[in-house]
Parts: sequence; C-alpha cells; structure tokens
Amino acid sequence: GQNIDQPTEMTATEGAIVQINCTYQTSGFNGLFWYQQHAGEAPTFLSYNVLDGLEEKGRFSSFLSRSKGYSYLLLKELQMKDSASYLCAFHAGNNRKLIWGLGTSLAVNP
Amino acid sequence: DAGITQSPRHKVTETGTPVTLRCHQTENHRYMYWYRQDPGHGLRLIHYSYGVKDTDKGEVSDGYSVSRSKTEDFLLTLESATSSQTSVYFCAAAERGGETQYFGPGTRLLVL
Repeated sequence: GQNIDQPTEMTATEGAIVQINCTYQTSGFNGLFWYQQHAGEAPTFLSYNVLDGLEEKGRFSSFLSRSKGYSYLLLKELQMKDSASYLCAFHAGNNRKLIWGLGTSLAVNP
Repeated sequence: DAGITQSPRHKVTETGTPVTLRCHQTENHRYMYWYRQDPGHGLRLIHYSYGVKDTDKGEVSDGYSVSRSKTEDFLLTLESATSSQTSVYFCAAAERGGETQYFGPGTRLLVL
C-alpha cells in the first residue's frame, strides 16, 4: 500500500532552525513535494525533489532519500510569518495524483 | 500561480439541495483536481481530470460529480448536499508533463 507520515505539530523560536520530517512507503515513486499552507488559505508550492540530496531555495531547503523513504524540509532564520502548516506529498505512477500527508502545524514563537 | 479562481468563495446551503462549484484557470493546464480539506483528514481527492471530457474518481467521490467541457473550467456538483459535505473545497491544476499542482483560493461550503 501507500502511506505517508509527518508530525502533527512543532514549535520553534524566531530566528532558529527547524526540520520537519516526512516518511513515506510506496511501490512506485516519482518525486516528493512540500507545500506551505497558512491558516484559511490555499496550499502554495515550496519544493519538489526527484533525486536524492539537498536542494536549497533561500531560507528553505528540502532533502530526499529515496532508499530510506524519507524527506525533510529545513527552515532557517525562522520568522513569525513561517507559522503555517507544511504538507508533504509524493507522486507515484503516471496518473498525476498525489498522496498527501496530513500536514505539520508549525508555530513560531517570539 | 496558474491563474486559478474558484466561485463562489463562500456558500451556505440546505441539506438536499444541489450545489455547483466552479474552478477556472487561465494557463491552459491539462490536469485539474478537486479536493476537500477537513480537520484530521488533510487533503482528499474527490475527482480529477486529465483533459476535456476526461475525468476520473478520487478517494472520496461518492455524492459528487464533475464535468469539464472546456480546458479552462472544471465544475464540481454536489448532487444532493448533506451535512457531511460541509468542508473547504480546493481546485488545483497542473501543466502537461508537470506534476506540480497549483491551487485555487478555495470555497468554504456550509450545509445546514
């Protein structure tokens, strides 16, 4: 079967670094997404990892290990506006459907 | 992101009435999706489309139907609304050959 798991909630301090983990199980795998969703708003695309390794995009980086079924989103120099839910999702197969995690709610405190 | 709009943005309706939600995109994306999002369940796929008049069911399709007569429009119909369909509905679109989905602003539906 297919499943995906991420922590429900995390708390961090402004200016700090936080790592949000995501693990998945699937027989077919094309890539892993991270989306950000502020309360009351739509999800917005952050990153897409296809190959193993770390991809950096400003304060946000995303890592993928295909052999371990593991990804993380790294947020540096946290700001209050980073308080949001972070969704991981993977793409398996050719049907263009994504398998979504339930999201990690991140609270950034002063 | 993909110029996606949804209408209406908010709707209150009564149990048993039909409801149609509209998703419109301006980027000629081939793939379109309808999701619902509920606390504790995350994003769940209702239906999706891979081209005009080509649609398929997602994981929670019971009680919903869709139509796509033009590339830019994807309609979701609740045939007879029930209180369990109270939710936030998101439309998304993805370009041909791409997997990244871009989301519309959402529709908040309350079924009384």
